[in-house]
Order: sequence, then C-alpha cells, then structure tokens
Amino acid sequence: LAKTTQPVSMDSYEGQEVNITCSHNNIATNDYITWYQQFPSQGPRFIIQGYKTKVTNEVASLFIPADRKSSTLSLPRVSLSDTAVYYCLVDVTNTGNQFYFGTGTSLTVIP
Amino acid sequence: DADVTQTPRNRITKTGKRIMLECSQTKGHDRMYWYRQDPGLGLRLIYYSFDVKDINKGEISDGYSVSRQAQAKFSLSLESAIPNQTALYFCATSEPAGASTDTQYFGPGTRLTVL
Repeated sequence: LAKTTQPVSMDSYEGQEVNITCSHNNIATNDYITWYQQFPSQGPRFIIQGYKTKVTNEVASLFIPADRKSSTLSLPRVSLSDTAVYYCLVDVTNTGNQFYFGTGTSLTVIP
Repeated sequence: DADVTQTPRNRITKTGKRIMLECSQTKGHDRMYWYRQDPGLGLRLIYYSFDVKDINKGEISDGYSVSRQAQAKFSLSLESAIPNQTALYFCATSEPAGASTDTQYFGPGTRLTVL
C-alpha cells in the first residue's frame, strides 16, 4: 500500500516560507497527491492536490519531482493562524480509493 | 463545514452501552466515510460507503458497524462500547473526481468518552 512518511513536527517564525516534504516511495502511476490541514478539534480541510511538476493555488504550492516518490508542500509567509497539522495523502487506487492520513506534520508558527 | 453535520457533538457513556453516532450531509455526495482520531495520532478509516447499497470496511472496523440509511445519512454504531473506543470521530463526504482523487469534506467531529 502506498503510505506516506512526513516529519513529525516543524517550527517556523512568522513571515517565513515553510516547506513540508512527504515521501511516498510506492506511489502508483495513477495516484494523485493531496494535502489537508487540520486545526485542533476540527476536521481536516483540503489544501491542494497535484499529480506532477508544480501546482499553485491561493493558499499553497505543491512541488512534485519527476520520479513522484516525494512531494513538498510550500506555505509562503506563514502566520500564527497556519499553526496546524498537515497531512499528505496518496490515493490508494488499487484498493478502491481508501484514504490513509498517517500522523501528519505538526507545524507551529512562532511570533 | 456546515454542509456535513454530526450528532451528538459530545457523548459520555459507560462500558457495554450501545452508542450510535449520526452523520448528515447536504452536499449531495454519494461517498461517505467514518474516521476516528486518537490524541497524537492521525485519522484512521473505520468504514466507508460509495452509495446507499455499498458498505466497506476500513483500516479499523472491528467493534464498529455502520448503516447507510439514505444518500445523505451515514450512522456509526458501537454495539458494546469499551474504553479504548474513546476518541474523536469524524464523518466525511466526497464526490468521485474522475481521474484525480476525491476531495473529502469533514464534519465537526463527535468527541466520545467511554468510562
């Protein structure tokens, strides 16, 4: 199964760019990479999704190298409100679209 | 997300009691999911349903059952609750996204405590 590996936690100062990398060595050809954000006591919220190269939206950018064995979520100029847990998911297409969230990366933004 | 509601939001119960958690959605999605989250851990999939007649076990289905009463409703039951089922439970919905992966929309969660 195409599970993911992320750092457990990260700290950053306000205004910095934050990059969170996710490893997914067993990603399948048709799998997409999706990132979610979760605040305490709330359900996760979709941030961004991509298949290859680079995707950018109003919140973040997602960089995916050619081999697709990893991906990097980039948050530009973080603020205190970006303190949350970030999950990287890879679609497990072989087993019918199950979602494995893992433990995520806990990002703390420091004033 | 107000489009996905869960009841109750908090529940304290005793070991051995039967508990039902309800999930309703107004997004018109066919796919619904139940997850649990334990402190310091990520979300783990309990059951999922791709339409009214479809029920599938997830990663941790033992001790749980589900019912998909209608497209908009998906209930999770604990037939005989035990303390290690104390957790935060989330319901989610999604719509098939074609070639890409569904985007899931989560409810506010139900905090369940089993004494």
